[in-house]
Amino acid sequence: NAGVMQNPRHLVRRRGQEARLRCSPMKGHSHVYWYRQLPEEGLKFMVYLQKENIIDESGMPKERFSAEFPKEGPSILRIQQVVRGDSAAYFCASSLHENTEAFFGQGTRLTVV
Amino acid sequence: GDSVTQMEGPVTLSEEAFLTINCTYTATGYPSLFWYVQYPGEGLQLLLKATKADDKGSNKGFEATYRKETTSFHLEKGSVQVSDSAVYFCALSDYTGTASKLTFGTGTRLQVTL
Repeated sequence: NAGVMQNPRHLVRRRGQEARLRCSPMKGHSHVYWYRQLPEEGLKFMVYLQKENIIDESGMPKERFSAEFPKEGPSILRIQQVVRGDSAAYFCASSLHENTEAFFGQGTRLTVV
Repeated sequence: GDSVTQMEGPVTLSEEAFLTINCTYTATGYPSLFWYVQYPGEGLQLLLKATKADDKGSNKGFEATYRKETTSFHLEKGSVQVSDSAVYFCALSDYTGTASKLTFGTGTRLQVTL
């Protein structure tokens, strides 16, 4: 029973490139959440998705960031034209229902050089 | 908006010492409260939770009691081990009981030495 799988674990991008982060939720989970952890800080909520729908994107930066959770396949967090300030750990979590426990993946550590 | 404040680290203790990590919160409703632990290079793991006032969450020797009157959820352990070295995050969810959209504190790093 695999947990939440994120890939890649580490990603290095040059300024201006695009970063694509993938998250496969636990089996049977249809609720996915993305969080960002800046160095020496706690996690900040970014976006909450259900299959094919964005439910809450109140924590997403207005520009360059987008997220999707298609009917088939993993959830994708996409960052266009990355800047150094995007360097962080990005964690995905999934839950069976909206009001049940969220399980976190191991995160993707993005470094922008 | 909702917020969580927890004591700054790092906290350094000798093995078998008593641990307290303070956590207070601000919320408009009746949140659920959580402690998560993050071991080096790993994601977050739920350590314990409490969903209403006076509830006590416990796991692996750790305990925390939901105190509505003081808006606190302090983490305690009677005797820490080296393997407890990690970063501990206090968190809350909103009044709807959504356990997944979480507001986190900044984390407290615990270092336990022999």
